[in-house]
Amino acid sequence: NAGVTQTPKFQVLKTGQSMTLQCAQDMNHNSMYWYRQDPGMGLRLIYYSASEGTTDKGEVPNGYNVSRLNKREFSLRLESAAPSQTSVYFCASSEEFTSAGYTFGSGTRLTVV
Amino acid sequence: GQQLNQSPQSMFIQEGEDVSMNCTSSSIFNTWLWYKQDPGEGPVLLIALYKAGELTSNGRLTAQFGITRKDSFLNISASIPSDVGIYFCAGKFTSGTYKYIFGTGTRLKVLA
Repeated sequence: NAGVTQTPKFQVLKTGQSMTLQCAQDMNHNSMYWYRQDPGMGLRLIYYSASEGTTDKGEVPNGYNVSRLNKREFSLRLESAAPSQTSVYFCASSEEFTSAGYTFGSGTRLTVV
Repeated sequence: GQQLNQSPQSMFIQEGEDVSMNCTSSSIFNTWLWYKQDPGEGPVLLIALYKAGELTSNGRLTAQFGITRKDSFLNISASIPSDVGIYFCAGKFTSGTYKYIFGTGTRLKVLA
């Protein structure tokens, strides 16, 4: 039972490059989320998908786009990476939008130089 | 964006000691969660609290939903080396919203 799988685990980008972070869950959860984690700060929500076919902005959406490809997969795209996007990115899922807790992936550590 | 204040930021303790940490907010929450994050991994849910005054245990961990609804506490009894990690609280304002606010974390190190 894999839970939430994120790829890649590590990535280094040059400023201006683009990339897509992949996330897949095998728990048949309806809702999925992308967070970023920066030193000394809590997790901050970038985008979420309450259910298949919907996506909405979270706290810090600027510079990102998302795609809910199907019920299992939710990708995060950086169109033109900036050093301020250096962070650890976590994907999470929950059974329903109002569920109490989320299941998190193990993260993608992204460095933009 | 709003964040929750967690304290202490970090702590070193001896194996076997009890640990206490707390989380405070200027806003009222109706749900509090406590997560643990191991190095290189994502957070894992430890305890969920749903009403003021609620006290819930999970093994050696006990968490409480403060009666003012603006704070929560986590205690770990008889700490062991595998308790090392970062503990996060998270709170949610109202039902039906995604909006969990995460604390800044308490980094725990246990000395054997």
